[in-house]
Amino acid sequence: QKEVEQNSGPLSVPEGAIASLNCTYSDRVSQSFFWYRQYSGKSPELIMSIYSNGDKEDGRFTAQLNKASQYVSLLIRDSQPSDSATYLCAVNSYTGNQFYFGTGTSLTVIP
Amino acid sequence: SAVISQKPSRDICQRGTSLTIQCQVDSQVTMMFWYRQQPGQSLTLIATANQGSEATYESGFVIDKFPISRPNLTFSTLTVSNMSPEDSSIYLCSVEDVRLQGPVSTDTQYFGPGTRLTVL
Repeated sequence: QKEVEQNSGPLSVPEGAIASLNCTYSDRVSQSFFWYRQYSGKSPELIMSIYSNGDKEDGRFTAQLNKASQYVSLLIRDSQPSDSATYLCAVNSYTGNQFYFGTGTSLTVIP
Repeated sequence: SAVISQKPSRDICQRGTSLTIQCQVDSQVTMMFWYRQQPGQSLTLIATANQGSEATYESGFVIDKFPISRPNLTFSTLTVSNMSPEDSSIYLCSVEDVRLQGPVSTDTQYFGPGTRLTVL
């Protein structure tokens, strides 16, 4: 079983809509959760981190964490074409102090 | 967040040769990591570069193929040795940033711009 799983997509949403990206993880002792955005040909860029259950909002981005369900999501409101990228979910497992990355979800925002 | 640079940004190399990639950080960091990202794939951790000791390699990666140096807290190198076309990939270094937020210690990884390697 993979440590971190994401739907690979591609996910397409119209401009202005809400994009919802989902991620599940297998290690129950994981404490830190991250979303990275990666444009084609570029390196991953951290956009959100979340450490406790509930929602965390930053501008148009909201991260949601449910440790009981081992589930973390990213909502992008008012999606823009510039949001088109691959979104990587990452989990830090303190059992090995290692980051585990999902395979990424490709998002396309259609103008 | 730390500013990370990598050199070279890209290279095209011949089979059987070696390439050394440099990673420089603008502040002292304890943990540095080297990842590989093959076309259309996610990130695969190669090794953790420890200052003052040998790197810790992940399953499937060995020191003879990917020797790593970490001479100080701001710099690391990764060498891809005896290259084959299968080594064509983007190689990324990252650093761990640990901060205290009240009683909670949080750590985050930030990535350098990457080195795009093509082996012919």
